[in-house]
Amino acid sequence: GQQVQQSPASLVLQEGENAELQCNFSSTATQLQWFYQSPGGSLVSLLSNPSGTKHTGRLTSTTVTKERRSSLHISSSQTTDSGTYLCAPGGNMGYKLTFGTGTSLLVDP
Amino acid sequence: NAGVIQTPRHKVTGKGQEATLWCEPISGHSAVFWYRQTIVQGLEFLTYFRNQAPIDDSGMPKERFSAQMPNQSHSTLKIQSTQPQDSAVYLCASSRQGERNEQYFGPGTRLTVL
Repeated sequence: GQQVQQSPASLVLQEGENAELQCNFSSTATQLQWFYQSPGGSLVSLLSNPSGTKHTGRLTSTTVTKERRSSLHISSSQTTDSGTYLCAPGGNMGYKLTFGTGTSLLVDP
Repeated sequence: NAGVIQTPRHKVTGKGQEATLWCEPISGHSAVFWYRQTIVQGLEFLTYFRNQAPIDDSGMPKERFSAQMPNQSHSTLKIQSTQPQDSAVYLCASSRQGERNEQYFGPGTRLTVL
């Protein structure tokens, strides 16, 4: 089955700094989503980006399908960005999302 | 526009009892997914419905777990004879048309089996 590795496992930033989160996966993925989860909170979909580059607000995701990797760039971090970021590629059919263990981000004021 | 609704938010059962979890997808979404989240296993896919029909239940434990979607506005996940290892957060998601569309998750139901 699909294997997902995210790095770094944790990251501490000062407010205003940028963050780069990485996701590598083992099998073909025709769908890929990045999610945000606060402690004890719901999964919030940030981006759906199975290939190419996508921007929304301060977030930019780049997925290189052939190399089975995706990144999430967060610019000008804010304390409210603190939480866990999860990468979830789907399989060949796209819908069966497999989640990584996440990157835990802490943004200090 | 309301998101995915899941009820109850918390459920506590005794070992051997039955638990039924409810999900109301986003209006207009034809695909419903169930996942389970535990500390040890992380997030795991359980099952998928499209237009109320079961498409893939490959993640469902073969015994005691069943899922249904009797109409387009709700799906249920039933666990019979609950065991302590069933304790988890059960998450429901929906998407517009299915396989490659963005999935939107509900807040989850935290099931605790004593």
